Amino acid sequence: NAGVTQTPKFQVLKTGQSMTLQCAQDMNHEYMSWYRQDPGMGLRLIHYSVGAGITDQGEVPNGYNVSRSTTEDFPLRLLSAAPSQTSVYFCASSLGGHVPLNTEAFFGQGTRLTVV
Amino acid sequence: GESVGLHLPTLSVQEGDNSIINCAYSNSASDYFIWYKQESGKGPQFIIDIRSNMDKRQGQRVTVLLNKTVKHLSLQIAATQPGDSAVYFCAETSGANNLFFGTGTRLTVIP
Repeated sequence: NAGVTQTPKFQVLKTGQSMTLQCAQDMNHEYMSWYRQDPGMGLRLIHYSVGAGITDQGEVPNGYNVSRSTTEDFPLRLLSAAPSQTSVYFCASSLGGHVPLNTEAFFGQGTRLTVV
Repeated sequence: GESVGLHLPTLSVQEGDNSIINCAYSNSASDYFIWYKQESGKGPQFIIDIRSNMDKRQGQRVTVLLNKTVKHLSLQIAATQPGDSAVYFCAETSGANNLFFGTGTRLTVIP
């Protein structure tokens, strides 16, 4: 098992450009999520999905879109990148939601995005 | 909004000593708490969790203590090893699918 795989690992964008961060998991997990990690802010939830075809907003969804056409993949799209979106992005998956199953979340290695 | 914070941003301990990492939370409705370890260049890794109906839970070399009265959570690492050097995050949720993370504590183990 590869676990949770994120690509790319590093990316530099110009303001206004669009791009998609890829996330794939091979553990047949229903629950997937995207977080961003900023210095002094911890991890903040952007979007999550409880299964194929179902997505919902997290704490900081503005500027990001997601879709979940398959169980395995959960891409994160930046439609028009802004410097405020410079961050490290983590994708995570788990067998179920955090409550009530208390299932462990597996994180990818992260994507370091810089918007100039 | 909810806030989850840590008392100390950095902690240095001698190899072999015990480490205690603290975390405060503000939402009294939080009922599930998790500790994560993040090594440089890697994603967070689950360490241990605890439900609000417990006040202590033990794992291998790690213990989590929960004090709901003062909304405080701690992670104790026994016989700290160099491989324990990392940033440790607490996270909490109150029943939704959103985990709220603290800002992290950097643990440095001195050989």
